[in-house]
Amino acid sequence: KNQVEQSPQSLIILEGKNCTLQCNYTVSPFSNLRWYKQDTGRGPVSLTIMTFSENTKSNRRYTATLDADTKQSSLHITASQLSDSASYICVVSDRGSTLGRLYFGRGTQLTVWP
Amino acid sequence: EADIYQTPRYLVIGTGKKITLECSQTMGHDKMYWYQQDPGMELHLIHYSYGVNSTEKGDLSSESTVSRIRTEHFPLTLESARPSHTSQYLCASSGSPEQFFGPGTRLTVL
Repeated sequence: KNQVEQSPQSLIILEGKNCTLQCNYTVSPFSNLRWYKQDTGRGPVSLTIMTFSENTKSNRRYTATLDADTKQSSLHITASQLSDSASYICVVSDRGSTLGRLYFGRGTQLTVWP
Repeated sequence: EADIYQTPRYLVIGTGKKITLECSQTMGHDKMYWYQQDPGMELHLIHYSYGVNSTEKGDLSSESTVSRIRTEHFPLTLESARPSHTSQYLCASSGSPEQFFGPGTRLTVL
């Protein structure tokens, strides 16, 4: 069964600190993995997208890693800001269908305190 | 920022009413999607479209229907709303490989 599991479910950190969010998946055949940021009451916004051959990709203070062998990904946030408070969703796409089906994790709810 | 729009952003209605949630995109994407999301839960695909006059049901069974008469427009309709339809509805469009999401419609059925 194609699944995406994220940990932790929720996380509270102080402003300026770093944190790492985890994503494990069983989706096969794998096409790409995306990290989205979703603010409360808003739609998800893409942070990074990585294909099988990419191990790491950065977008400003966000750095995503991918280990396609162990089917794990992480999202590292550096020097957190209050505006980083949001849900971070790991999404994996398969290449077994024309639609490019997406499998969503439940997200990690990050709260950054001043 | 993606050019995909949803209206209304918030809707509170009574049971039995017919509603239509609007979704429009200006990126010329052929593929469009509707997702349903409950608080703290993952997004579930309820409808998708490959292009004009193409609509398919997604993974999660839904009593809603959709239409795709124009490329840029993908409305979702509930003929008779019930409290069980209370949820957030997210529209998305895809220019491979990226998928862009609208801001969502928060629907509450009393």
